[in-house]
Amino acid sequence: DTEVTQTPKHLVMGMTNKKSLKCEQHMGHRAMYWYKQKAKKPPELMFVYSYEKLSINESVPSRFSPECPNSSLLNLHLHALQPEDSALYLCASSQVSRTGELFFGEGSRLTVL
Amino acid sequence: GENVEQHPSTLSVQEGDSAVIKCTYSDSASNYFPWYKQELGKGPQLIIDIRSNVGEKKDQRIAVTLNKTAKHFSLHITETQPEDSAVYFCAAIRAGDAGNMLTFGGGTRLMVKP
Repeated sequence: DTEVTQTPKHLVMGMTNKKSLKCEQHMGHRAMYWYKQKAKKPPELMFVYSYEKLSINESVPSRFSPECPNSSLLNLHLHALQPEDSALYLCASSQVSRTGELFFGEGSRLTVL
Repeated sequence: GENVEQHPSTLSVQEGDSAVIKCTYSDSASNYFPWYKQELGKGPQLIIDIRSNVGEKKDQRIAVTLNKTAKHFSLHITETQPEDSAVYFCAAIRAGDAGNMLTFGGGTRLMVKP
């Protein structure tokens, strides 16, 4: 199983809503990532979890709150987002020692109204 | 930190022709260079990579070359097919150092015309 599964595929939310994005992998990877991708741009790193602990936060606003409940799951909690936060949110995983070899999910397309 | 430049930003070729995408990097300590392909509506997928101790690597119709002295690397696709149409990202990293993350190039949109 070499898949990273993300749900939901599409999400529309208002600026006052609270929602969550979910990611799951069963490859035994102990590094998991959240990336944000705007149209026609490369993925932009947001957060990295290593052994279920947050190791990198790329100065992401607090309206984005990551969570890693166990070694297979990664969540991104969303609250009070802005329209400019509309983007494709990608989850990825890798072996801890191979942070260049990422396995990406198909992403969650977020629209903030 | 690392900076990766990628050219061209768009590339249109006729089916069967070759396509070449070029990247330059700034950090001479970078030692691992993957290429990712992102099809429409999907996440990026690693398609080929090269490490700094190798000058060239080939996998069927795709090949990568690395020039460490000039700090540039390239992706070559031969006999292009419509299914090669996608956005391609090069990347660089100093692999092996804890906490190091990939730096992506800006991407190349490849269009293969039937």
